[in-house]
Amino acid sequence: QSVLTQPPSVSAAPGQKVTISCSGSSSNIGNNYVSWYHHVPGTAPKLLIYDNDERPSGIPDRFSGSKSGTSATLGITGLQTGDEADYYCGTWDSSLSAVVFGGGTKLTVL
Amino acid sequence: QVQLVESGGGVVQPGRSLRLSCAASGFTFSRHGMHWVRQGPGKGLEWVAGIWYDESNIYYGDSVKGRFTISRDNSGKMLYLQMNSLRTEDTAVYSCARETSLHCTTTFCSDIHFDYWGQGILVTVSS
Repeated sequence: QSVLTQPPSVSAAPGQKVTISCSGSSSNIGNNYVSWYHHVPGTAPKLLIYDNDERPSGIPDRFSGSKSGTSATLGITGLQTGDEADYYCGTWDSSLSAVVFGGGTKLTVL
Repeated sequence: QVQLVESGGGVVQPGRSLRLSCAASGFTFSRHGMHWVRQGPGKGLEWVAGIWYDESNIYYGDSVKGRFTISRDNSGKMLYLQMNSLRTEDTAVYSCARETSLHCTTTFCSDIHFDYWGQGILVTVSS
């Protein structure tokens, strides 16, 4: 059972928009910054969003992040088949003194 | 360019030990916290351990606390994970990851995130 809760899967058609939620508590998301990662098994994970809503250079603006209270959301617009992957949220948990990840969300582009 | 290359994985029997290494290049290693993250078969990402740039703070996940030890050699640009008393549930692909954080106190960073990852190395614990 992950400390952060994500939906196991989401799906949408090419060109559409999808959002992935990440729910936590005051000891993690509520008082720390959230990051998001794109991961295709067998390859290195890639940082998509850091500090709740910042994109590293090279990440297209189709990807966005937001945070409200103890929840965070990753948004992806203009879906492409290449976006199919597992997506993870992560943050620091001040009570556990540990980095925590969500359980991951598998994105299917139909 | 930033590169992180893991080595030292393999097949080991339960109860035995293994040491993973991560060779870093393309950045000032001594300025970044470093971490180990693993992914077991059919599972999600699990954070294992992290070490500050100056070794002043070291943290472990509950599942490895007391069995694993993270360390680093800044002059050699190397990160290590000593894994003792291995269990079958430790079977996973282990990746090293570079941390970049700006919002830090003396004991933790509230904006911790991993901007570069290695490809990972497989560790199989089996009799």
